[in-house]
Amino acid sequence: KQEVTQIPAALSVPEGENLVLNCSFTDSAIYNLQWFRQDPGKGLTSLLLIQSSQREQTSGRLNASLDKSSGRSTLYIAASQPGDSATYLCAVVEDFQKLVFGTGTRLLVSP
Amino acid sequence: DTGVSQDPRHKITKRGQNVTFRCDPISEHNRLYWYRQTLGQGPEFLTYFQNEAQLEKSRLLSDRFSAERPKGSFSTLEIQRTEQGDSAMYLCASTTMGTLIPTFGSGTRLTVV
Repeated sequence: KQEVTQIPAALSVPEGENLVLNCSFTDSAIYNLQWFRQDPGKGLTSLLLIQSSQREQTSGRLNASLDKSSGRSTLYIAASQPGDSATYLCAVVEDFQKLVFGTGTRLLVSP
Repeated sequence: DTGVSQDPRHKITKRGQNVTFRCDPISEHNRLYWYRQTLGQGPEFLTYFQNEAQLEKSRLLSDRFSAERPKGSFSTLEIQRTEQGDSAMYLCASTTMGTLIPTFGSGTRLTVV
């Protein structure tokens, strides 16, 4: 059974810092890995998708990497802003596009 | 197309009552998923449909839960005899084989008092 873990559970940084969120998974037989953002009480916003054959994906200030062999992914956020404050979830994509989520990292960026 | 719609956004119910949620997926998406998210946790898979067929159900989906997708379009999730432990955000997502990224709705937040 796939298990997904995210570290740290919570992170508080001053504006402008670069930061790294970590995601690990126990079964490397995944199709893809996806990072989401969730604002309080809201649904999920897709940030980056890394296909199993890829090593990384970039979108603006976000960069996500994937190392299937070690069961790890990282989300790098450059020059953090208060608007980045949210919960960040990683999810591995299994058969039939079913997602197994981690517990998330709650990020607070202070002005 | 306005994305995945879920109704209602919020539901407060007394313990023991039945509740039903609705999800309208993106029209051309033939796969539909239900997830449950409790406070401080990531979403957990409940069930999924391909067209009108329910192809997989999680062990989390007790016999008090039932989901349908009668015409392969919208779906309903019913919880009978609600318990306080059912309080959660219920998320719906849809996709199709050619789509890599599922689209999530805004969720229905259930509070059982």
